[in-house]
Amino acid sequence: AQTVTQSQPEMSVQEAETVTLSCTYDTSENNYYLFWYKQPPSRQMILVIRQEAYKQQNATENRFSVNFQKAAKSFSLKISDSQLGDTAMYFCAFIYSGGGADGLTFGKGTHLIIQP
Amino acid sequence: KAGVTQTPRYLIKTRGQQVTLSCSPISGHRSVSWYQQTPGQGLQFLFEYFSETQRNKGNFPGRFSGRQFSNSRSEMNVSTLELGDSALYLCASSLVGGGFGYTFGSGTRLTVV
Repeated sequence: AQTVTQSQPEMSVQEAETVTLSCTYDTSENNYYLFWYKQPPSRQMILVIRQEAYKQQNATENRFSVNFQKAAKSFSLKISDSQLGDTAMYFCAFIYSGGGADGLTFGKGTHLIIQP
Repeated sequence: KAGVTQTPRYLIKTRGQQVTLSCSPISGHRSVSWYQQTPGQGLQFLFEYFSETQRNKGNFPGRFSGRQFSNSRSEMNVSTLELGDSALYLCASSLVGGGFGYTFGSGTRLTVV
């Protein structure tokens, strides 16, 4: 079974700074998808960014971008010009292309705090 | 466009009772998945339904079950509740599942006393 590891339980940065959240995963498969989800205190998981493993180009969504290193099985999230509303739990997640018996596999999360 | 709707938002039950949680997916989405979130275990996959059929199942005891109706709405049921079942239960819908991405609801917070 695949595993997802987020090694930073908590991070704190000043507003407007850039922050990078780390994620590594372990799989023997070649076709899969990776996601970053944000969970604010409202509890709803919000999709931040999605990466297809067969695409070498790193995904970008406005202030959010990823550094996808397939050989190293690394998938970090960079948040530029951080804002107070970015304060939340961030989860890295993995799923096989065919869906797979395990659904989405999540890391334990990183609690990101943006200080004013 | 309405999002994923989960009801109820909060629930308190007694050990030994059973509970049913409801999830209405985004219109047109045929895949509905359920996840349990606890501080200790994190987010764990319960099961996925697609077109009224259970497509995948996580490593949970048989007390956890679910179903999906023809309108894609889904319910999950937990029988003989235990204290350890206290958790946030999240529902997620997707067009067809897999790598297309999932839209989550706000969850049902279940407390077992």
